Amino acid sequence: GESVGLHLPTLSVQEGDNSIINCAYSNSASDYFIWYKQESGKGPQFIIDIRSNMDKRQGQRVTVLLNKTVKHLSLQIAATQPGDSAVYFCAENRPDGYALNFGKGTSLLVTP
Amino acid sequence: DGGITQSPKYLFRKEGQNVTLSCEQNLNHDAMYWYRQDPGQGLRLIYYSQIVNDFQKGDIAEGYSVSREKKESFPLTVTSAQKNPTAFYLCATGGSSYNEQFFGPGTRLTVL
Repeated sequence: GESVGLHLPTLSVQEGDNSIINCAYSNSASDYFIWYKQESGKGPQFIIDIRSNMDKRQGQRVTVLLNKTVKHLSLQIAATQPGDSAVYFCAENRPDGYALNFGKGTSLLVTP
Repeated sequence: DGGITQSPKYLFRKEGQNVTLSCEQNLNHDAMYWYRQDPGQGLRLIYYSQIVNDFQKGDIAEGYSVSREKKESFPLTVTSAQKNPTAFYLCATGGSSYNEQFFGPGTRLTVL
């Protein structure tokens, strides 16, 4: 889930398990949502996106679910691998459709 | 990162000094963005530009300035008016609205 303080929430999973990272967004009028992965000291890397006219979108090993009723977004990672260890951010478009509003992130730790 | 260059990677500044962070892209994207990231936090929007010779303030523009004289370049100046400039600065680019943004590798600024 999203952090309300300075410490990122951490999700610890075993290698091979499925991971679910959750995100609550703020603007019911948002039309576009995106998940990024950020490794330490690097820029965020695109994972998957979804538009408001969809409830679910699948990529390679990842699935994003959008529940507009409760303004909730989730990222599911199948068969989590050590290389998946990173901080994951959800983001929603700002009103003009250009810049993004980011959540505070969730740290995913994959243990052997 | 691909196609977005940020320099330098690490930057040290004395209090009271202005410093300019470079961001260059060869992706032919119209839109460019500057975000700031503090430890354990999400990204916050400083400035963005949808087109050459035009830019808009984000949520935390005070103490920063930008220019967009060329499509490929969007430098950010951190002025002495920025009270807490130590942070990780990320530049991003994007095509049209409601689409993903691509991030550069970031510049870590430390004020001594």
